[in-house]
Amino acid sequence: QKEVEQNSGPLSVPEGAIASLNCTYSDRGSQSFFWYRQYSGKSPELIMSIYSNGDKEDGRFTAQLNKASQYVSLLIRDSQPSDSATYLCAVRNNAGNMLTFGGGTRLMVKP
Amino acid sequence: DTAVSQTPKYLVTQMGNDKSIKCEQNLGHDTMYWYKQDSKKFLKIMFSYNNKELIINETVPNRFSPKSPDKAHLNLHINSLELGDSAVYFCASSHDWDGPGEKLFFGSGTQLSVL
Repeated sequence: QKEVEQNSGPLSVPEGAIASLNCTYSDRGSQSFFWYRQYSGKSPELIMSIYSNGDKEDGRFTAQLNKASQYVSLLIRDSQPSDSATYLCAVRNNAGNMLTFGGGTRLMVKP
Repeated sequence: DTAVSQTPKYLVTQMGNDKSIKCEQNLGHDTMYWYKQDSKKFLKIMFSYNNKELIINETVPNRFSPKSPDKAHLNLHINSLELGDSAVYFCASSHDWDGPGEKLFFGSGTQLSVL
C-alpha cells in the first residue's frame, strides 16, 4: 500500500463548478498535511496546509481533514481554467522529518 | 531573484556517463533536499541536508552522491547513469527540517534524459 494515495485522474470539471480532490494516507500518526499545485513543466508550489480535523478555507480553496478516516481533501470553488494543474497531496510523518507525496491528481477545468 | 535555482534545466546524456546538477538557495534556509519525480508524477525524496549535514538518505543507489559545500548549496552528482535515472530532479529548501508546518520551496527542476 502506498503511503499517500490519490486518484491520478484526470478530473474534468466545467468552469465555475466545484472541484473535489481526495487523498488518503497510511501513517495514522501523521500530523501535517499539505496541498501543492504543479503546472505542467513547472515546480510544485504550496497552496494549502492543514493540521487539525475539520475545514480550513483560503479564498476559493478549502482543505478538509479527517484523521480518524486518514483522509484529506481539497475543494476548489468556482473552478477556473487557470486551476488546471496536477494537485499533489503531501503528508508529514509523526516525527516531522519526512514529507511524503502522493502521485497527484490531474485537474482539467473546461471553459 | 530566484529563491531556489538549479542548473541545468535540461540534461541529455548517454548511459554510463557521469553528470552533476547544481542547486543554490538565497532564502537563508537551513535545510535543502533533492527529490526525484518520475513519469507518473510521484515526487520521492532522495536526500535531505540540514546545515551541510546529511539528515535523510532514502534508498538511493550509491551512484548518487550529494554534496553540500555550504548551507546555501546542495549539488547532486550521478555516476554511471542508467536509463532508469531519467526523470525530473527537483531541488528544494525549507527553513528547518523537522517543523510540522515547514513549507518547501522548489527549484524549477532538471529534466534528465539518459539515452
